[in-house]
Amino acid sequence: AQSVTQPDIHITVSEGASLELRCNYSYGATPYLFWYVQSPGQGLQLLLKYFSGDTLVQGIKGFEAEFKRSQSSFNLRKPSVHWSDAAEYFCAVGVTGTASKLTFGTGTRLQVTL
Amino acid sequence: DTGVSQNPRHKITKRGQNVTFRCDPISEHNRLYWYRQTLGQGPEFLTYFQNEAQLEKSRLLSDRFSAERPKGSFSTLEIQRTEQGDSAMYLCASSPLGPAYEQYFGPGTRLTVT
Repeated sequence: AQSVTQPDIHITVSEGASLELRCNYSYGATPYLFWYVQSPGQGLQLLLKYFSGDTLVQGIKGFEAEFKRSQSSFNLRKPSVHWSDAAEYFCAVGVTGTASKLTFGTGTRLQVTL
Repeated sequence: DTGVSQNPRHKITKRGQNVTFRCDPISEHNRLYWYRQTLGQGPEFLTYFQNEAQLEKSRLLSDRFSAERPKGSFSTLEIQRTEQGDSAMYLCASSPLGPAYEQYFGPGTRLTVT
């Protein structure tokens, strides 16, 4: 069964600084990978996704992520963080060839200081 | 396209009572998913429908839980004889048919069992 690890529970960065959130997955084949963002009390908004092809994917709000098969990683990056980026970020993996469940990590809470 | 909607947004109930939640997916999305999210955790898959057929259920979905999607449109999730451990955010998501489509999430229903 697939699994996702987000090793950082909480990260604090200064506004304008760069950001990298880590995500490692376990799955026997090439997975579908996603990053979602959740603001307090809200549902999840998709930031970006990887299905195949170019391993560097661009998303909304200036985020990007890179799929590294050799490291089983899909880290999320942003060159300059804005105070409005403060939220909970979830990495998720889906099973290729199907459209059933997503398996989520436990999330990373991002705090942005001014 | 108004997105995925869920009602109610908040529900407080006493232990032992039954509750029902509703999810209206994005129109023309054939697939509908239910997830549960507890504090400090990522969403966990509960069940999945393709049109009106319930195709997968998690072991988390005990016999006190039942989900339906009559006519392949909206879905309901019922919890019978609620327990305090059922307190969580219940998230609904939908996606189109196809092997590689992201899931769009609703705002969730927060259940508090007292």
